Amino acid sequence: DGGITQSPKYLFRKEGQNVTLSCEQNLNHDAMYWYRQDPGQGLRLIYYSQIVNDFQKGDIAEGYSVSREKKESFPLTVTSAQKNPTAFYLCASRRDYGYTFGSGTRLTVV
Amino acid sequence: AQSVTQPDIHITVSEGASLELRCNYSYGATPYLFWYVQSPGQGLQLLLKYFSGDTLVQGIKGFEAEFKRSQSSFNLRKPSVHWSDAAEYFCAVTPMEYGNKLVFGAGTILRVKS
Repeated sequence: DGGITQSPKYLFRKEGQNVTLSCEQNLNHDAMYWYRQDPGQGLRLIYYSQIVNDFQKGDIAEGYSVSREKKESFPLTVTSAQKNPTAFYLCASRRDYGYTFGSGTRLTVV
Repeated sequence: AQSVTQPDIHITVSEGASLELRCNYSYGATPYLFWYVQSPGQGLQLLLKYFSGDTLVQGIKGFEAEFKRSQSSFNLRKPSVHWSDAAEYFCAVTPMEYGNKLVFGAGTILRVKS
């Protein structure tokens, strides 16, 4: 079945370390998105990519980086510059106005 | 400021009672409108969407939503709530001036009491 796979489901890192969250889709969607979810704040857009080898900053890009070398993959790196990285991260892909979401990665920084 | 507002952070309803979750948006042109549901620790599932046409939209799991242009609202309703409906519900829009990006409300947590 087609869908989006985010891995790992839970991730623990020490403060000051960079960490990369994986997002893979087999839906053949051109556009992919990364959202951050915090309690009571909904989902906020971090980065998005409309096409391979191109991506744009969302509303809260500081402290994050992405790459889009393949259509299927859109990894997100949470760098040590992100002041409050503990959160739930959701990846999504889109064709037309149909969005598909992954099941998320919960990142805890200790 | 342009935004999506879900005024109720938490709502508790009795099983079998009706439900209405509110959503208002403040964008110049009417955006595309969505309702998603999220169970704890999971991704988002689309309940329904409105692009144009009939302002009463039917979705999955017995949900419906009504678009009211004059009130910039897109409220979600269900005539009889089941215990399995307990979850968090998000209203989202794709404002025309923002391209194809989804903008979310803060969410409403629904609790169902027996």
